[in-house]
Amino acid sequence: GAGVSQSPRYKVAKRGQDVALRCDPISGHVSLFWYQQALGQGPEFLTYFQNEAQLDKSGLPSDRFFAERPEGSVSTLKIQRTQQEDSAVYLCASSSLGHKNTGELFFGEGSRLTVL
Amino acid sequence: LAKTTQPISMDSYEGQEVNITCSHNNIATNDYITWYQQFPSQGPRFIIQGYKTKVTNEVASLFIPADRKSSTLSLPRVSLSDTAVYYCLVPFNQGGKLIFGQGTELSVKP
Repeated sequence: GAGVSQSPRYKVAKRGQDVALRCDPISGHVSLFWYQQALGQGPEFLTYFQNEAQLDKSGLPSDRFFAERPEGSVSTLKIQRTQQEDSAVYLCASSSLGHKNTGELFFGEGSRLTVL
Repeated sequence: LAKTTQPISMDSYEGQEVNITCSHNNIATNDYITWYQQFPSQGPRFIIQGYKTKVTNEVASLFIPADRKSSTLSLPRVSLSDTAVYYCLVPFNQGGKLIFGQGTELSVKP
């Protein structure tokens, strides 16, 4: 597609369930980012991929969060044993530039996760 | 660390010019400054990017002084549809990690 696509757009999970959020970046984009955005806050960095390599995962809040991009294209953010504090919008962004990444990030619409 | 500081909120009226200033005291030599706009329930959208002096595109201008410790996003003749949150970003340690601050919530009134 023409833009970054995220699915599902909305997800409601019971506390303790596992969830998987998918991101389809713009074709050919090297860099892929995941951000978490709580209501009324700016996006918080979670992790960054360059192709299939996860170069930075320092923003993942706990070991319940796991991200992968096995073929350097589609990425999945997995959250195990969800907690209420995980409720947020999860944003994916891609960029055509690599490591220093001074270019434009293209964001998806986000996946809104609500944990009951 | 290349941390950014912006006003939390600003009010304006339709037709006015709006200037939003961002401080980034620890910006690195090779860092670019990028501004994004975010509407409710949408992902951020790129507005403009610059390195020094002045950059202008069809929606905004970006002014960067010689010391590059701050930058000012200028929106000419705002309309109601410019009501959004505006973020300035600089790279984090040039490692590709882009950190968003709290942003500036701009409210444009009729």
